[in-house]
Amino acid sequence: DAGVIQSPRHEVTEMGQEVTLRCKPISGHDYLFWYRQTMMRGLELLIYFNNNVPIDDSGMPEDRFSAKMPNASFSTLKIQPSEPRDSAVYFCASRTGPWNTIYFGEGSWLTVV
Amino acid sequence: RKEVEQDPGPFNVPEGATVAFNCTYSNSASQSFFWYRQDCRKEPKLLMSVYSSGNEDGRFTAQLNRASQYISLLIRDSKLSDSATYLCAVGSSASKIIFGSGTRLSIRP
Repeated sequence: DAGVIQSPRHEVTEMGQEVTLRCKPISGHDYLFWYRQTMMRGLELLIYFNNNVPIDDSGMPEDRFSAKMPNASFSTLKIQPSEPRDSAVYFCASRTGPWNTIYFGEGSWLTVV
Repeated sequence: RKEVEQDPGPFNVPEGATVAFNCTYSNSASQSFFWYRQDCRKEPKLLMSVYSSGNEDGRFTAQLNRASQYISLLIRDSKLSDSATYLCAVGSSASKIIFGSGTRLSIRP
């Protein structure tokens, strides 16, 4: 079975540019999570969805970040405008049910210069 | 205070040693607990879930102490291939999952 699929795997962009990260969860999973990982802050939960509805976005750092899930098989995380401090690995993860294991994609490695 | 806290390490132990990690959590209503393993430049992968009665998977044993609000991971007879970062994860009553910052483990020959 296909796992969580993220794109792009690597992106280097200039400060001020818009960045869009994409995620396809595992088929049948009803929860989708966006995490950000840095050396300094570890793995931070940004936002998560249940049945395509955002449940908790309290981890979204500021208004420059937005996330959408238009259907059960696709989600985006957008940063506009991007800043160097946004450089990190962004992971998407999904699961079925509220208490089960979550499965991660391979991550999107973002560098903002 | 962070919701989930771990000793960042690094732990540097010889092959064959037994090593233990603890992870504390602040939300007493937490419902689910996990240990993940993350290799360098890779995504976290589930190592094992943690059940109330404790559970074992080969050389790995996980324990949950609800009274003191911590989970533990014990690795026996450590192998070189166990070198990685170990992340604890705690599911809250709101069904979100919060991760600790991870403990780095290095096994030396």
